[in-house]
Amino acid sequence: ETGVTQSPTHLIKTRGQQVTLRCSSQSGHNTVSWYQQALGQGPQFIFQYYREEENGRGNFPPRFSGLQFPNYSSELNVNALELDDSALYLCASSGGYLADYEQYFGPGTRLTVT
Amino acid sequence: AQKVTQAQTEISVVEKEDVTLDCVYETRDTTYYLFWYKQPPSGELVFLIRRNSFDEQNEISGRYSWNFQKSTSSFNFTITASQVVDSAVYFCVGGTSYGKLTFGQGTILTVHP
Repeated sequence: ETGVTQSPTHLIKTRGQQVTLRCSSQSGHNTVSWYQQALGQGPQFIFQYYREEENGRGNFPPRFSGLQFPNYSSELNVNALELDDSALYLCASSGGYLADYEQYFGPGTRLTVT
Repeated sequence: AQKVTQAQTEISVVEKEDVTLDCVYETRDTTYYLFWYKQPPSGELVFLIRRNSFDEQNEISGRYSWNFQKSTSSFNFTITASQVVDSAVYFCVGGTSYGKLTFGQGTILTVHP
């Protein structure tokens, strides 16, 4: 196990609703990255937080937003849910934002939008 | 922009066979990192290996080995003497210096007893 935890494990929402996913980083890690993995695809980078500031963003619309807290845990918020948002959402924590630092992934949250 | 292409969608082998997964990474960056991750049915991504763009030395770690050729942008991964527990989806991943990872589509490896 990596020590990265995510909650909830599974979630079912209706189109148009809002959702918040949570990630607790590994002890000593100050960087959290979020990824979306659609069924049968590789994960896609959403954004990264380093010491409570957004530190890079992928090609996702503004309705995907995030937060990082002083204890370096993080939230991913998605507004106005669409059917295509159904996916496995993975967070990864690392000791820094540089690629020298290995990213440790959590088990993911499976979001289903109906 | 970075692009990762994994040549095989699915590979099926019998236990104890060697298997090689092919990957090509395209980027304009001069400094970059390459990784292989494994995703078993449980879903959690497991880090396997990392290589940076300025080190073309090929290495072996246990049953894993990798071959990085910068001239062809290839980063191939070999499992020697495969085992049933190796069955998983394997992702080739490219990373910028600033930690943004770009995943390939994945190769589904099935090892039969």
